[in-house]
Amino acid sequence: TQLLEQSPQFLSIQEGENLTVYCNSSSVFSSLQWYRQEPGEGPVLLVTVVTGGEVKKLKRLTFQFGDARKDSSLHITAAQTGDTGLYLCAGPSSFGAGTTVTVRA
Amino acid sequence: NAGVTQTPKFRILKIGQSMTLQCTQDMNHNYMYWYRQDPGMGLKLIYYSVGAGITDKGEVPNGYNVSRSTTEDFPLRLELAAPSQTSVYFCASSYMGQGRFRYEQYFGPGTRLTVT
Repeated sequence: TQLLEQSPQFLSIQEGENLTVYCNSSSVFSSLQWYRQEPGEGPVLLVTVVTGGEVKKLKRLTFQFGDARKDSSLHITAAQTGDTGLYLCAGPSSFGAGTTVTVRA
Repeated sequence: NAGVTQTPKFRILKIGQSMTLQCTQDMNHNYMYWYRQDPGMGLKLIYYSVGAGITDKGEVPNGYNVSRSTTEDFPLRLELAAPSQTSVYFCASSYMGQGRFRYEQYFGPGTRLTVT
């Protein structure tokens, strides 16, 4: 099983601020997914990255896959209260423990 | 398409009782999964299936059983429920073919189970 470590575990910011969450492993991944889970619901797929150095944008969310395909980051610009949730990264056979993001109004 | 559906949404069991959590997907996905999620613990894989008639254990299979008689359905059976099985259970599916999207999983809304 490929282990994925996410940091920070918790993040609380004011609306309008930027934030970055990280997903790291000692293993190389063929692909990596990011999911968002809102309270009381199942995780929802946000993006898949497959190429080292790849950057994908989804509105205010920017996802980056490390050159060596061992790490990834998610950056949110001008966070909104609707961005509140648990952000999970996942490889082919495992999920990270997640980062709980709270955006305060 | 409904995607992945799970029933029931909530259930309270007494210690020693049994129940089946239902999961159905209408996306013709070959892979299906069962996870449990405890507070602050992320998703733990219980069982998975690569196709009808084929199942395999995940990280935390003890106390659970599964079957996969059709592509669409993947029920999870709890025998002799214990308080340690209090959790939120998620079913997911994916299409494990070729290409960059093959590991993407689609989740159901979850079943919140309490064993007392």
